[in-house]
Formats: sequence, C-alpha cells, structure tokens
Amino acid sequence: EVQLVESGGGLLQPGGSLRLSCSASGFTFSTSWMHWVRQAPGKGLVWVSRSNADGTTTHYADSVKGRFTISRDNAKNTVYLQMNSLRAEDTAVYYCAKSRVGYDFVGDYWGQGILVTVSS
Amino acid sequence: DIQMTQSPSSLSASVGDRVTITCRASQSISNHLNWYQQKPGKAPNLLIYAASSLQSGVPSRFSGSGSGTDFTLTISSLQPEDFATYYCQQSCCTPPTFGPGTKVDIK
Repeated sequence: EVQLVESGGGLLQPGGSLRLSCSASGFTFSTSWMHWVRQAPGKGLVWVSRSNADGTTTHYADSVKGRFTISRDNAKNTVYLQMNSLRAEDTAVYYCAKSRVGYDFVGDYWGQGILVTVSS
Repeated sequence: DIQMTQSPSSLSASVGDRVTITCRASQSISNHLNWYQQKPGKAPNLLIYAASSLQSGVPSRFSGSGSGTDFTLTISSLQPEDFATYYCQQSCCTPPTFGPGTKVDIK
C-alpha cells in the first residue's frame, strides 16, 4: 500500500524558515518523481515544486522560486521542502504527492497534508 | 501559465442526479487533463487522468471527455459519498495548474 506522510509543519513568523518532510512507502521511491502541492485555507490547489528520482532536476512555481528548495534522501525514502523567507501568503496545507507519470504531475497518491501558518 | 476555468463554481443536486462539470484551458492541452475529488479536510483523490481514463478503484459512474481546450466530468448517478469539491488540472505544461474547483452539495 502506498503511503505518504508529511511532517514538520507549524506556526512561525514572517521571514522564518521551516523544513517539511514527506516519508514514503509502498512504491519504488528511488525511481519516482515527487511533487509538493499546497492549498491556502478555503482556497484551491497550487503546484509548488517537483524533483526527479535522484534529486538532480528540480522545478518550482514562480511564487516560491529562490525561497523554497526541494530535496530528497532516497536511502530514507523521504522528500523534503525547505522553506525560507516565509510570507503570510505561504500559509497553507502542504501536500506531497507521487505522480503516476513522473515529470508530468498526475497525482495518484497524496499525503494527508501538513499545515504551515505564517503569522506575526 | 495555462489558466484553467471551471463551471459552475457550485451546484446543488440530489442523489441519483446526473451531474456535469466543465473545465476549459486557456490554450490547447491535448488530452493532458486530470480530475480530482476533494472532501473537507482530506487530500485530493485522482478520479480521471488523460481526460478520459478512469483511475483504478474509482467507480464507473465517473467519466471524463474532451480534448484541446474543453473538457467535461460527468457523474452518471450522484451518490451520497460524491458530495465534494471537484478540481480539474492540466499536466501538459509547466507549471501544472488547477481549476478553481466546483463544489457539489446536496439539494
């Protein structure tokens, strides 16, 4: 059974940093592209970032480029999202997701989501 | 970025009704269109991928159609567990983008 479990969320002040983790099981993580998607409270879904299987190719939404970094540890079956210079508009539930086709995001499995709140 | 729109933004329907939701892309995306269902407090669940392919485990009352810029999600006979918000999403081009959602609630 595929499982994705996010952790590391919380409340922090604008300008702060946070690292989210997503622990994966039930599929071959080391050959899978992984993605992060977020959803602000009461709002829609927004794709944030993706990483290829070995972490050498990454892409970001313009809204987080230069502030967020996706990385992974295939030995631990874990993908990370390092978030720096956080802003109030980064407040959201963050989901990690696996794509059924890899690079192109078709999210067939999602984590339960983790809330990040940026507020003074 | 490719803009996705959905209509209606919300609808009220009864159990057993046939429900149709439309999604439009700001430029042609071929068949790179996916549909998700999301219930409150839960992660999205993939229903349809590549415009018309049913994801494994999804009931056959869900179907998708369309290509290019115009797409449709149809629920042939609405069930109590189908009351949720539905999102379309294009996987043609970077960045992947989602529609604003269609909330289906009980009439």
